[in-house]
Formats: sequence, C-alpha cells, structure tokens
Amino acid sequence: NAGVTQTPKFRILKIGQSMTLQCTQDMNHNYMYWYRQDPGMGLKLIYYSVGAGITDKGEVPNGYNVSRSTTEDFPLRLELAAPSQTSVYFCASSYAISDRRRQETQYFGPGTRLLVL
Amino acid sequence: DAKTTQPPSMDCAEGRAANLPCNHSTISGNEYVYWYRQIHSQGPQYIIHGLKNNETNEMASLIITEDRKSSTLILPHATLRDTAVYYCIVSEENSGGSNYKLTFGKGTLLTVNP
Repeated sequence: NAGVTQTPKFRILKIGQSMTLQCTQDMNHNYMYWYRQDPGMGLKLIYYSVGAGITDKGEVPNGYNVSRSTTEDFPLRLELAAPSQTSVYFCASSYAISDRRRQETQYFGPGTRLLVL
Repeated sequence: DAKTTQPPSMDCAEGRAANLPCNHSTISGNEYVYWYRQIHSQGPQYIIHGLKNNETNEMASLIITEDRKSSTLILPHATLRDTAVYYCIVSEENSGGSNYKLTFGKGTLLTVNP
C-alpha cells in the first residue's frame, strides 16, 4: 500500500489564483481530513469527510472547499489564493466505526508546501 | 483550544530514556490520550494511545496517572532519529458520541543529542 499520497509537493501561487491539492489513500479508510500547519504551530483542521459524499467544516474552513466523490480521493480547492494561505497542507485518513467511542489512528501524507505571493 | 499542556522543548542523550510529560486535567472519562510525532518536514506519525491503563508497543510506552489528569510518553532508548515534535492529544467527541477529531497543539520538541 502506498498509504496517503499528496500532490503537488510544492507550489507557488500568485494572489487570486486558484488550485486544487490532491489527496488519495489506498487503505479503504472512510474518514479523511485536511489540515494546515503554519510555521512553528500545530496542525489545524480545515475540512473532514466521514465517507463518500459527506464533508464538514473543521476549525479553519474559510477560503477552502472540498469534495468527496470517491472513498479514495479528497481534493482541497483554493479558489482565490491569499498570502494568509501560505502554509503546509497535510491530508490524513483513518478508519472509524461511528458507534465506537474511540479515535482510530490517523495516517498522514507527506504534505504540500504552498507559497502565495 | 488544545486540551493538553506540554513543555515546549526537551533534550535527551542518545541511548537514554526520553520521558515526555503531558497534562490533561480536564479529560473526561471516555476520552483517550493519543501521542503523535512529527519529524521535520514530514507528516505526523502515530505512536501510541491509551484510556486508563498503561500501554506499550514497539515504539514507546504510555504511562497514565490513576486520576488520568496527566500522562508520560517514554521512549526507552532514544536515538538521533527520534528528534521530532511530539504531540499529546486528547480525543474530542462530537454530539453523536463518536471520536474522530484530533486537535494538535504546539507539542514538545525533543532533541536527542549524541
């Protein structure tokens, strides 16, 4: 298994441009997440999905959109890039049974570094 | 807001045990304690988790106090490759009662010195 893969690894955007960060997992996990990490800080949850066709906002969703048309893919869309979106973006996935009162292990991708100028 | 408190940094000599503390005084009875680490420029990596009993796996041991208000992650024989930021996380419950969100604080930067 490749685990969680993310593309691209690095991207420079101009203010106002748009782009999609790709995330794919091959572990048949139902839950997927997008986090961002600013320099020297912890991770902040942007959006998450509990299964295909279901997404919900996390802590910092403004300026982003997501979709989950398949179990494997969870792309993150930036419509109008702003300097405040300069960050490292991590995608993660996990398998969880909804009636279990326990977090399952989250597996993280290698990250996408985004610079908005 | 993160529900845990960790020291910002610690040092450890190579080959010695690294003991990383975490305070989680507001933890509720059915919340788990998780530890992840993040090596520079990589995605976080799961280490271990526990509810109230001590746990051990191939990577580390987790000691949780009887009142569950604090815990310690132990790396028994630290190596240079263990240099990383270590995150102590208490799982959150949503209104439906299922846990799936992790809230990462700033963690502890562990530096293993030769």
